[in-house]
Amino acid sequence: SSELIQDPLVTVALGQTVTITCQGDSHRSYYASWYQQRPGQAPLLVIFGKNSRPSGIPDRFSGSNSGGTASLTITGAQPEDEADYYCSSRSSRGNHYVFGPGTTVTVL
Amino acid sequence: QEHLQQWGAGLLKPSETLSLMCAFYGGSFTGHSWTWIRQPPGKGLEWIGEFDHTATTNYSPSLKSRVSISLDTSKNHLSLRLNSVTAADTAVYYCARVSRSDGYSRFDLWGQGTLVSVSS
Repeated sequence: SSELIQDPLVTVALGQTVTITCQGDSHRSYYASWYQQRPGQAPLLVIFGKNSRPSGIPDRFSGSNSGGTASLTITGAQPEDEADYYCSSRSSRGNHYVFGPGTTVTVL
Repeated sequence: QEHLQQWGAGLLKPSETLSLMCAFYGGSFTGHSWTWIRQPPGKGLEWIGEFDHTATTNYSPSLKSRVSISLDTSKNHLSLRLNSVTAADTAVYYCARVSRSDGYSRFDLWGQGTLVSVSS
């Protein structure tokens, strides 16, 4: 079973706010990073650390961490935000990385 | 502009060895850590292993016995070898850079992906 747990599917109305969560013991020691993947494309880093965005990522993407849960929030979802989102962090069980199973975000 | 370019054989038979390469353009491999990640068709991402900036390798526990990642700095190539492949190794394989510039690890630059299919 996966070290990180994500809801498989989330739906949000256009312009509304959606939060995706990622649960796992690794988040008690390491910050998560979040990746957006559109169909047929390579993943794209959208959030890392406490709440940092790479250059070019819209500020409607934000992140947070509380206890064993990391969260990615999209404030004012847009059609182009429809994608799969994966969390990742260092494993709490060894010197390797792990990914969550992914959350598919649908924008209605 | 920085980018990663991957290449390698896309069709293998069971028991053969997967071999992929990744080149970094717009910068140098030295001083960074590098990783391989794969994604079976229709499934999620799986971390394979890394070659870190100290030339240390770390591998996924589930693949450790079959995988090798190396860096040829003279050719500016990162390579992945996975022995004794089976159909379960069919996936899109990505190389990526691991950045830790401010203490937070993340995969901030990705290759285009290479589909490797294993079939008899």
